[in-house]
Amino acid sequence: EAGVTQFPSHSVIEKGQTVTLRCDPISGHDNLYWYRRVMGKEIKFLLHFVKESKQDESGMPNNRFLAERTGGTYSTLKVQPAELEDSGVYFCASSRWGQGARETQYFGPGTRLLVL
Amino acid sequence: GENVEQHPSTLSVQEGDSAVIKCTYSDSASNYFPWYKQELGKGPQLIIDIRSNVGEKKDQRIAVTLNKTAKHFSLHITETQPEDSAVYFCAANYNNNDMRFGAGTRLTVKP
Repeated sequence: EAGVTQFPSHSVIEKGQTVTLRCDPISGHDNLYWYRRVMGKEIKFLLHFVKESKQDESGMPNNRFLAERTGGTYSTLKVQPAELEDSGVYFCASSRWGQGARETQYFGPGTRLLVL
Repeated sequence: GENVEQHPSTLSVQEGDSAVIKCTYSDSASNYFPWYKQELGKGPQLIIDIRSNVGEKKDQRIAVTLNKTAKHFSLHITETQPEDSAVYFCAANYNNNDMRFGAGTRLTVKP
């Protein structure tokens, strides 16, 4: 069974540009999460999809971040326009149906974003 | 807000020694506590988890203990090996949607 995949693995952009991150969850997993880790700090929750619906987006920093999961399969996270403080590692995780954050989450390798 | 505190931030042990990482959480409703290991260039991988209906769980050299009254849980690695070197994260579910993570512990096992 393939794991969670993310693309790209690295992205270096200039302040003001747009970047779109993609996550492909494990096939059949209804729950999809986005997280971010800024250097040396905790992994912070951004949002949670159940299938194509946003269940909770309380962790999204501001309206420059837009996440979608059309069709309930892969998800994209767009940052527009990017700011310096958006730099960090963006992780995606998925879990099967069931009890949301009480289910085991499987993480992707992350996208390392650097905004210059 | 609801936080998970993790200590220490760095830990260096000699091969064969034990390593202990401790976490505290603040939400009394949390009932699921996973531990993740992140190796260089990879995403966090689940190594062990514990639910609130048990106080201890063991898997070979790894064990986790949970004290719900004190709201803390710990990861114990015995007979450490160089390949145990990684960043370890504890986590606790905050609600049905949100998993709160600690800031991570960088474990170095010296051969």
